[in-house]
Amino acid sequence: QVQLVESGGDSVEPGGSLRLSCTASGFTFSDYYMSWIRQAPGKGLEWLSYISGNSADTNYADSVKGRFTISRDNTKNSLFLQLNSLRAEDTAVYYCATTAREPQFWGQGTRVTVSS
Amino acid sequence: DVVMTQSPLSLPVTLGQSASISCRSSQGLVYSNGNTYLNWFQQRPGQSPRRLIYRVSNRDSGVPDRFSGSGSGTDFTLKISRVEAEDVGVYYCMQATHSPWTFGLGTRLEIQ
Repeated sequence: QVQLVESGGDSVEPGGSLRLSCTASGFTFSDYYMSWIRQAPGKGLEWLSYISGNSADTNYADSVKGRFTISRDNTKNSLFLQLNSLRAEDTAVYYCATTAREPQFWGQGTRVTVSS
Repeated sequence: DVVMTQSPLSLPVTLGQSASISCRSSQGLVYSNGNTYLNWFQQRPGQSPRRLIYRVSNRDSGVPDRFSGSGSGTDFTLKISRVEAEDVGVYYCMQATHSPWTFGLGTRLEIQ
């Protein structure tokens, strides 16, 4: 069965960086678009970014464009999100999900806290 | 950005009764390929979101047929018939026709 496991979340100071990872199993990873979506504490869901199976197509929400970078390594069935110039408002649980337009399977999330 | 307006934001329901959640988009959601990328998600307390419905009315595998999606253009509805205790949680609509994809604020379903 499809499994997505995120990791890399941590507590960082404003201006800091983190790299989130999502390890996938149970499907042919390279065939699928993948997405990152986040949820601030007690808030709703916010789509952040997607990447195509061959990494040729990426897209970002304006709130993270220029600060976050999505990438993948199909040899390792892994999806990444590089978070730079972190702000307090980036505090959230970050989820990876399969596909772009119709996120079907989600991981359990990894928590990022940005605070001084 | 396309604004997704859900109503109500809180939905108290009696067990066994029906519930309906409205989701209205600020723009039409028909994509150039003819598809309407409107999804519904359920998030139970303490859990990750789970997709229930994609492309307006297609129910995911394993989702009870008590859940149904309908609508077109800018007006969409998730209906839950015969509400059960396991349905408690927050329900989100999401559009993925216009970039950036956007979610509604969520509707919290509770048992009264």
